[in-house]
Amino acid sequence: NAGVTQTPKFQVLKTGQSMTLQCAQDMNHNSMYWYRQDPGMGLRLIYYSASEGTTDKGEVPNGYNVSRLNKREFSLRLESAAPSQTSVYFCASRGDGPATNEKLFFGSGTQLSVL
Amino acid sequence: AQSVTQLGSHVSVSEGALVLLRCNYSSSVPPYLFWYVQYPNQGLQLLLKYTSAATLVKGINGFEAEFKKSETSFHLTKPSAHMSDAAEYFCAVGKGGSSASKIIFGSGTRLSIRP
Repeated sequence: NAGVTQTPKFQVLKTGQSMTLQCAQDMNHNSMYWYRQDPGMGLRLIYYSASEGTTDKGEVPNGYNVSRLNKREFSLRLESAAPSQTSVYFCASRGDGPATNEKLFFGSGTQLSVL
Repeated sequence: AQSVTQLGSHVSVSEGALVLLRCNYSSSVPPYLFWYVQYPNQGLQLLLKYTSAATLVKGINGFEAEFKKSETSFHLTKPSAHMSDAAEYFCAVGKGGSSASKIIFGSGTRLSIRP
């Protein structure tokens, strides 16, 4: 039961570097999400995707890009990392319909530090 | 646009006392509402959800929440706190149905339990 798999778990970047956070789910869910979690600010939605090939902005999309490569995978890219992007990033997929309680299934998170 | 406000970033109660965590929402359509819990160094776990059925929703670990449309509230309660309830709690709002939607989280309330 892999669920939602995120890589890497930890990453340190220098300002201006780029990187891609990978996320894959094996539950055949249509909807996928990227959040960042910062102390005192809860989880803030960066981007989400309703299905393969579609993406929509969330609350804090600036500085990020996403790709929904196929139904399983939803990646988040930082083109030019900034210290303000230091955070814990969570990928999630959403169950469809009452059987899964329509809840979010979360990955284990990526702790990103930008120096 | 959807939004969630959690009143009180930190709540402290004595073991055995009533737990009340407040959540107010804003939504232009009938909302789906969720409470999630995050234990230290763990991911988020769904406590309960409201999806336009019964207004009083029972969740796991003895928690329940009542949807009050007139007050745009979805407060979380538990009659008697246990030490194991110490965690961070997040209220979230989304839309239901087969199409994906933004799921927006509040800033969280950290619950501490005094012996």
